[in-house]
Amino acid sequence: AQSVTQLGSHVSVSEGALVLLRCNYSSSVPPYLFWYVQYPNQGLQLLLKYTSAATLVKGINGFEAEFKKSETSFHLTKPSAHMSDAAEYFCAVSSSNSGYALNFGKGTSLLVTP
Amino acid sequence: EAGVTQFPSHSVIEKGQTVTLRCDPISGHDNLYWYRRVMGKEIKFLLHFVKESKQDESGMPNNRFLAERTGGTYSTLKVQPAELEDSGVYFCASSQGPGGYEQYFGPGTRLTVT
Repeated sequence: AQSVTQLGSHVSVSEGALVLLRCNYSSSVPPYLFWYVQYPNQGLQLLLKYTSAATLVKGINGFEAEFKKSETSFHLTKPSAHMSDAAEYFCAVSSSNSGYALNFGKGTSLLVTP
Repeated sequence: EAGVTQFPSHSVIEKGQTVTLRCDPISGHDNLYWYRRVMGKEIKFLLHFVKESKQDESGMPNNRFLAERTGGTYSTLKVQPAELEDSGVYFCASSQGPGGYEQYFGPGTRLTVT
């Protein structure tokens, strides 16, 4: 079985501040890890993914995440938040055990204040 | 290139009625997934098609849900008869392959059962 825990259902940051969204996973086999973003009234869009290559993964819109096996974590960061980053963010894990279906966390809503 | 499309975008039906949701994946994507997000909960996997075959339907809630994928192209998800707890947003995603391939999501169908 595999699962994802996202700490904090709501995170608020000031414009220009560091964005840190936490994700811890559980998987009995090597996982694939993903961060998706959902803007209002839109579908999910892939930000970045880890597929056993480099542990530091760079994605779109200035986001990056680091895979830490020892900590079973895959936290999402961005050095400087923009107002346009306000959205809901989902961490997901998949593996051969799940038939590569995505197992999602509950999501974190990011609010960016001026 | 067109993305994943879903129809309808919204559906409001009464308990006991039937509803059919449609998903058109990206052309050439053999893998098609259905997910559901019930309000306040995480996005949950329903089933996975490879071409026209059901690869994994372990997430289907019960036998009131029937999914088909005609000729390995578009897919339909029928709920019959609908219950109140079926309300939520139904997402479809497609990918070129399993594993680390990106799953491209449609905008979702919001189903409300009254």
